[in-house]
Amino acid sequence: QVQLVQSGAEVKEPGASVKVSCKTSGYTFSTYSLSWVRQAPGQGLEWMGWINPSDGHIKSAQRLQGRVTMTTDTSTSTVYMELRSLRSDDTAVYFCARDYGGNVDYWGQGTLVTVSS
Amino acid sequence: DIQMTQSPSSLSASVGDRVTITCRASQNIGAYLNWFQLNPGKAPKALIYAASTLQSGVPSRFSGSGSGTDFTLTISSLQPEDFATYYCLQTYSTPRTFGGGTKVEIK
Repeated sequence: QVQLVQSGAEVKEPGASVKVSCKTSGYTFSTYSLSWVRQAPGQGLEWMGWINPSDGHIKSAQRLQGRVTMTTDTSTSTVYMELRSLRSDDTAVYFCARDYGGNVDYWGQGTLVTVSS
Repeated sequence: DIQMTQSPSSLSASVGDRVTITCRASQNIGAYLNWFQLNPGKAPKALIYAASTLQSGVPSRFSGSGSGTDFTLTISSLQPEDFATYYCLQTYSTPRTFGGGTKVEIK
């Protein structure tokens, strides 16, 4: 069965970086893009960007450009999202989600990232 | 960017009620519209894609309709487990954009 399993919660200081992983299984890794979505406390869902594992092509939300990087490790079918220069308003739960042909179907369990001094 | 306007932002309903949530896109997105259910502390649950296609395992009391700019999620008979927050998402183009969410509360 399709599974997306994310890394555990992180606590970071302002200005630091965080790298969240999303290990996939149960399907052909290169076939489906992976989107990253976050939800800040009390807020709605925000799309951060996506990566196509077949060619590494990335598209990120304009407000995050320059701070977010997405990479893949095809040997372990894992996608990574790194967010740099963290600020307090980056405190959120971060999700990865499989995204193909307009269908966003399977989601990771979420990773809480807390930015606090 | 495509803006998604979702309404209402919240509603109160009783078990057995019929509930309708709408989403309006700022431009024509065809049928590239997904609906999700979100409960606190859990991952979003995919309900519908392509505006009206039920994801596998989703109860038939959920249905979606619409195309172009106007879309609707309907729950035909609200069940206790349906009290949650619902979001639409356009997948016509990037950046993907979500509606603001609709919180369905117990009356």
